[in-house]
Amino acid sequence: KAGVTQTPRYLIKTRGQQVTLSCSPISGHRSVSWYQQTPGQGLQFLFEYFSETQRNKGNFPGRFSGRQFSNSRSEMNVSTLELGDSALYLCASSSALGNYGYTFGSGTRLTVV
Amino acid sequence: KNEVEQSPQNLTAQEGEFITINCSYSVGISALHWLQQHPGGGIVSLFMLSSGKKKHGRLIATINIQEKHSSLHITASHPRDSAVYICAAVTSGSRLTFGEGTQLTVNP
Repeated sequence: KAGVTQTPRYLIKTRGQQVTLSCSPISGHRSVSWYQQTPGQGLQFLFEYFSETQRNKGNFPGRFSGRQFSNSRSEMNVSTLELGDSALYLCASSSALGNYGYTFGSGTRLTVV
Repeated sequence: KNEVEQSPQNLTAQEGEFITINCSYSVGISALHWLQQHPGGGIVSLFMLSSGKKKHGRLIATINIQEKHSSLHITASHPRDSAVYICAAVTSGSRLTFGEGTQLTVNP
């Protein structure tokens, strides 16, 4: 059974640019959540999608957005990149919302220069 | 004060030692996860708890809902257990709120 796949693994962008990250969940999983990990702030929740609808959102500016497609694959987008957006972005999939186990992807390491 | 706090931040042990990592939370939760992160970033979910105790191999996780406290124990620690261990509380529906993590180093 394939795991959670995140692409790309590494990315270097320039301030002011925008970036799109992709997450393919485990087959059959309908919930995808996104997290940002930085040395200063640790892991923080970005948002969660279920059945193509955003169900929960963390405390991030509107530059951070996401969507989920009918096949449960999800993308997150960060516009007008800032140096502070440099981080490891992780997604996790779950079979449903609520108290179910999560499977994490390997993450996308974004560096903004 | 963070909603989810872990201790210790860093832990060094000798192979074979019994290890305990603690997690306290100040908000209402529906469940708590223990996660393991190796260098390179990949995260593995070890346990999800809503009450009592779970065991998997040499790992044991407990939670006391009344005291808002959870512990992760590793028996007979091994160098391959070296990693960052993170507790994450399920709050506000299915949102995860994370502790700061505990860097565990097990020396041979």
